[in-house]
Amino acid sequence: RKEVEQDPGPFNVPEGATVAFNCTYSNSASQSFFWYRQDCRKEPKLLMSVYSSGNEDGRFTAQLNRASQYISLLIRDSKLSDSATYLCVAWSYKLIFGSGTRLLVRP
Amino acid sequence: GAVVSQHPSWVICKSGTSVKIECRSLDFQATTMFWYRQFPKQSLMLMATSNEGSKATYEQGVEKDKFLINHASLTLSTLTVTSAHPEDSSFYICSARDRGQGMYEQYFGPGTRLTVT
Repeated sequence: RKEVEQDPGPFNVPEGATVAFNCTYSNSASQSFFWYRQDCRKEPKLLMSVYSSGNEDGRFTAQLNRASQYISLLIRDSKLSDSATYLCVAWSYKLIFGSGTRLLVRP
Repeated sequence: GAVVSQHPSWVICKSGTSVKIECRSLDFQATTMFWYRQFPKQSLMLMATSNEGSKATYEQGVEKDKFLINHASLTLSTLTVTSAHPEDSSFYICSARDRGQGMYEQYFGPGTRLTVT
């Protein structure tokens, strides 16, 4: 079983749509969590950290549920430029990456 | 912001040859550097962690004699893929952590795409 599991997608949504990604992690000792964005053939870039209290950064909202070991990312008002692969990441003395969920935003 | 560079950005080599990839922190001192590998449609997998001036720590299943890592200075780490084979073809990404950063804060390089023919 993978330590961090994500639905690979792709999620194909129109511009302006709201889309949600989910992720589960298996190591209950994981201490910190993040969402990264990775464009095709590029390095991953940190999108935001994830907290149990939930946190928001513009159109992006992330949430952590430690009891169910579940992480989510909500993107509101999707833009064409949001098209990318979103990586769910857990920290347990090293960064553990999920394989990513691919998002395609169409005009 | 902190910048990490990698060279080359892509390389094609013949089976059996060795390839060296450089990772540099351009505007900070990287006490720790990390090497990852990513196969198509798969997650980034940590290969090894290197601290300046000491031997790299390899993840389980990564052959240290095949993937030679050198972190001789606070701004440079190199990964040498020895006797490369087609199954070594992958996207190799390094990242670096600044001396004063949190444990999970890493700056990623742009990656090196290796194709072994």
